[in-house]
Amino acid sequence: EPEVTQTPSHQVTQMGQEVILRCVPISNHLYFYWYRQILGQKVEFLVSFYNNEISEKSEIFDDQFSVERPDGSNFTLKIRSTKLEDSAMYFCASRTEGVTEAFFGQGTRLTVV
Amino acid sequence: AQTVTQSQPEMSVQEAETVTLSCTYDTSESDYYLFWYKQPPSRQMILVIRQEAYKQQNATENRFSVNFQKAAKSFSLKISDSQLGDAAMYFCAYRSGFGNEKLTFGTGTRLTIIP
Repeated sequence: EPEVTQTPSHQVTQMGQEVILRCVPISNHLYFYWYRQILGQKVEFLVSFYNNEISEKSEIFDDQFSVERPDGSNFTLKIRSTKLEDSAMYFCASRTEGVTEAFFGQGTRLTVV
Repeated sequence: AQTVTQSQPEMSVQEAETVTLSCTYDTSESDYYLFWYKQPPSRQMILVIRQEAYKQQNATENRFSVNFQKAAKSFSLKISDSQLGDAAMYFCAYRSGFGNEKLTFGTGTRLTIIP
C-alpha cells in the first residue's frame, strides 16, 4: 500500500542551525501539507502546497520556514534558524484530487538543543 | 474560524467493552468533512473514519462508528469490542469543503484499554 515517507525519523540540531525535513508524498497526490505537534499538544497546521506554490500558511509559518518541491517527488520543509520552541513532531501529509482525507507520514521528531 | 473541541482528555475502557469519544465543532460552513485520527505511541497519524457533512447516514468502519449530529455540531466516535491495540490518542479533525482544505484538530483524547 502506498504511503507517505518522511526522513529522518529523528533529528537533533543546535539552536540557530538550519534543518531540512524531507517527505516523499504518495506518487499521484497533488496536495501537500506540513503539520506540527509540540509534545503533549494538538496537531497544528503549518502550510499547504498545491501546483508548485503555497496555497495557505498559518501564523506559525513565519519567515524562518520555507517549503519546496525540488524534483517532483520530494517535498521539503526548511527551518532556517532553529529555536528551542521549534522542537516538535513534524508531519507531512498528502492527498489526491477528489479524495477527502489526507494521508500522513510517520513524522520527524525535531529536537533543538 | 473553525474550532474543534474534545472535552475528554482521557478515557478508559475494559477490553471487549464499548467506549464513546466526544467531539464538538463550530463552523458556519455547510460543506465540510469530519475525521477521527488515531495516534498510537509510535506517533503516526492513522485515519480511523471520515464523515461527509452532506451525508445523513453515520459512517461505519468495522468496530468503529460515528454519531454525527449536524444540528448539534457533534461528532462522536464509538469503538465496539475494544482491543488492546486501540490504545492511543484519538484526534477529531475538521476540514472545510471549500478552499485549501487544511485540517483543524481537537486537543485529543487519550484512550486506555484495561485488560
